[in-house]
Amino acid sequence: TQLLEQSPQFLSIQEGENLTVYCNSSSVFSSLQWYRQEPGEGPVLLVTVVTGGEVKKLKRLTFQFGDARKDSSLHITAAQPGDTGLYLCAGGDMRFGAGTRLTVKP
Amino acid sequence: NAGVMQNPRHLVRRRGQEARLRCSPMKGHSHVYWYRQLPEEGLKFMVYLQKENIIDESGMPKERFSAEFPKEGPSILRIQQVVRGDSAAYFCASSPQRQANTEAFFGQGTRLTVV
Repeated sequence: TQLLEQSPQFLSIQEGENLTVYCNSSSVFSSLQWYRQEPGEGPVLLVTVVTGGEVKKLKRLTFQFGDARKDSSLHITAAQPGDTGLYLCAGGDMRFGAGTRLTVKP
Repeated sequence: NAGVMQNPRHLVRRRGQEARLRCSPMKGHSHVYWYRQLPEEGLKFMVYLQKENIIDESGMPKERFSAEFPKEGPSILRIQQVVRGDSAAYFCASSPQRQANTEAFFGQGTRLTVV
């Protein structure tokens, strides 16, 4: 099993701030997926990264896959309260990290 | 195209009873994953099934827990003789194939409370 570590575990910021959360492993992944989960709901897929060094953008969210395909980051620009949620990364084996719980205060 | 359907959304069982959680995958999806989530925690992998086959049950407790995905009908996660520690949210996800970059879709979960 390939273990994924996410950091920080908790993050609380003000609306308008930028933030970056991380997903790291000692293993090489063929792909990584990022999900967002809101309270009381199931996770929703945000993006899949496949190629080392790949950068994908989804509106104010920027996802990067490390060159060695062992880590990934998610950067949010000008965070909004609607970004509040649990951000989870998963490897191709559908195992998840513990997540980063983000709170964006208005 | 209906999404992944889980039922019931909420389930209350007394200690010692059986809990049956159902997951109907999206149409055309033959792969199902089950997860358990405790409050304020991430998703813990339990089992991965294809139609009529258990592919990986390494995350499933050895006793009291079982899962199936029959040729017809939903996938079932069964917990026998429930204990208070089984209280959690149980999510399932489905995908059309087991490839590394295949998108998986989640249901809304079943929240099990053992009293």
